[in-house]
Amino acid sequence: GENVEQHPSTLSVQEGDSAVIKCTYSDSASNYFPWYKQELGKRPQLIIDIRSNVGEKKDQRIAVTLNKTAKHFSLHITETQPEDSAVYFCAASKGGGYQKVTFGTGTKLQVIP
Amino acid sequence: GAVVSQHPSRVICKSGTSVKIECRSLDFQATTMFWYRQFPKQSLMLMATSNEGSKATYEQGVEKDKFLINHASLTLSTLTVTSAHPEDSSFYICSARDGSGGSYNEQFFGPGTRLTVL
Repeated sequence: GENVEQHPSTLSVQEGDSAVIKCTYSDSASNYFPWYKQELGKRPQLIIDIRSNVGEKKDQRIAVTLNKTAKHFSLHITETQPEDSAVYFCAASKGGGYQKVTFGTGTKLQVIP
Repeated sequence: GAVVSQHPSRVICKSGTSVKIECRSLDFQATTMFWYRQFPKQSLMLMATSNEGSKATYEQGVEKDKFLINHASLTLSTLTVTSAHPEDSSFYICSARDGSGGSYNEQFFGPGTRLTVL
């Protein structure tokens, strides 16, 4: 089955700096890669996703890059703000409606004011 | 946006009892629902995939007789933890996928249920 690894497990940045979280996946058939943000005690919220037919996607301060050959993808958050502090999970899926999503181990991001 | 509700949000029960958790898609039809378990400071661990009208597919290591899943309608799936024990205490989260619109359908998560077994 799919295995998703995520690094780092914790990340502290100063407000205004950038944060980068990296993930690798094992199943070359995976073609859909969502990123979720989870605040303490709350549900995961989708923040951005990317499909395997593109290499990069950007939404305001958030961007995701995908390298299919190397089977890794990354989340980039620029101009970080304290409200960005949360746990971020990457995930991988084969994309079909019934296909399960495999989550990474999570990164706790702390943005220091 | 799509809304998924989960009930109850918190439950405390005695060891040996059974607990039922409901997951509902409020404004869309969910052909597929997923049940996850999350321990403190850990990732979401998929327990099972539930398709409407068929038996759930359980992940390796998840006891299907202990965690009963029913997906009787396109808007409701239930997870019953049978004969609960303290080690079953965890945060259980469901998610639902809209059955329309193609392959890359976003999962919408419920708010989770905190189960504490005494």
